Amino acid sequence: DGGITQSPKYLFRKEGQNVTLSCEQNLNHDAMYWYRQDPGQGLRLIYYSQIVNDFQKGDIAEGYSVSREKKESFPLTVTSAQKNPTAFYLCASSTLGNQPQHFGDGTRLSIL
Amino acid sequence: KNQVEQSPQSLIILEGKNCTLQCNYTVSPFSNLRWYKQDTGRGPVSLTIMTFSENTKSNGRYTATLDADTKQSSLHITASQLSDSASYICVVSAQSGYSTLTFGKGTMLLVSP
Repeated sequence: DGGITQSPKYLFRKEGQNVTLSCEQNLNHDAMYWYRQDPGQGLRLIYYSQIVNDFQKGDIAEGYSVSREKKESFPLTVTSAQKNPTAFYLCASSTLGNQPQHFGDGTRLSIL
Repeated sequence: KNQVEQSPQSLIILEGKNCTLQCNYTVSPFSNLRWYKQDTGRGPVSLTIMTFSENTKSNGRYTATLDADTKQSSLHITASQLSDSASYICVVSAQSGYSTLTFGKGTMLLVSP
């Protein structure tokens, strides 16, 4: 079955440490996205990519970095510059244009 | 500023009953409106998507309506089941592209036996 796989499901970060969240899709979608979800808030866009080797900042990109070396992969790195990283992180993909997004099942990041 | 407001914030209903969730938006220029269901600890799953010209769209026991004049949408759930317990998120897309989605905070629905 086609879909989006996020790993790990749970992740813990020590202070000063960078961590990388994985997102892989086999839907052959061109566009991929990373969102952050905090309790009581709507999803907020961190980064998105329309094509391999190209990506754009979303609304809350500070303290995060991404890469898009392959069409099916869009990893997110939460750097030590992100002072409040505890959240639920969701990866999504879609065809180009204004189409519904398919979401992965998220990674919950916590601080040790 | 584009905004999506959902009400109520949370709702408890008895199994088998119907319910309606509300979504008001101020996104401009409007492209489409989507309803997602998000189970606890999972990613959102698309229920419906409606463009400007569509007034209603159904997906099984879920029926979404759209009034583009008043900028309001509703999601009606018929004959609720325990598995309907989830957060329902209204998302509005602006015409400027797929990167300009505005998400509501969601309505948390609990269906009680």
